Amino acid sequence: DAGVTQSPTHLIKTRGQQVTLRCSPKSGHDTVSWYQQALGQGPQFIFQYYEEEERQRGNFPDRFSGHQFPNYSSELNVNALLLGDSALYLCASSKQGAGANVLTFGAGSRLTVL
Amino acid sequence: AQSVTQLGSHVSVSEGALVLLRCNYSSSVPPYLFWYVQYPNQGLQLLLKYTTGATLVKGINGFEAEFKKSETSFHLTKPSAHMSDAAEYFCAVSGLYSGGGADGLTFGKGTHLIIQP
Repeated sequence: DAGVTQSPTHLIKTRGQQVTLRCSPKSGHDTVSWYQQALGQGPQFIFQYYEEEERQRGNFPDRFSGHQFPNYSSELNVNALLLGDSALYLCASSKQGAGANVLTFGAGSRLTVL
Repeated sequence: AQSVTQLGSHVSVSEGALVLLRCNYSSSVPPYLFWYVQYPNQGLQLLLKYTTGATLVKGINGFEAEFKKSETSFHLTKPSAHMSDAAEYFCAVSGLYSGGGADGLTFGKGTHLIIQP
C-alpha cells in the first residue's frame, strides 16, 4: 500500500520564478495538507484541502496557492519565489472523520531558491 | 492560538539510558497532542498521539508520553535508548476543526536526539 508520494524530490529555482509541487495522498485518504519546513526548524502549516477546496490556511502570503483534484491529489504553487522560500515542502494526507488527526507524511520536496 | 515549546534543541543520552524529551504547549481549546520523529532526508513519522481518554499514551518503538493538563506538558520518554533512536523529534498540537476535520498542526522547533555508544 503506497503511502504519500511527492514530486519532484529536489529542485532548484531562481528568485522570481514559479514552482509547482505535487502530492498523491495515501490510498483511502481524502484530505491533503501542506507544510513548509525550513532548515533546522519545525514544519509550518501552509494550508489544507478537502473536497477540492481550501478549508484552512496558515500564515502564508497569497503567493502560496494550491489545488486539489477529484482523485484527491494536490498541487502546491509558489509564485515570485524568494530566497526565504528555500525549504523542504511536506505533504500530509488524512481521512475525514475519526481519523482526521492522523496524518501520513510524504518524504518531501526540497526546494532551493538561488 | 496554539504554540509548542520544546526545551532543548539537542539532547544527548547514552545507549541504554532513559530518554526524556520535553514539550509544553499552549492552546485555547482542548488539545490534540502528537510526537513525530524525522530521520535524515525523510518525512515525519507519527510516534504517538493524545486525543481524549487515558493520559498516558504508548507509541511505537517503546516510546510513551503523558498528558498533564495542569502543567500543559506532553513529555516523551523511553526507558532505554537505542542507537536507532537517533533522530529529530517534533512535538505538535492541534485542535478540532469546526467542520469535523482536524486543524493544521502547530509544531515545535524540534529536539535532536543524540545517542552516545
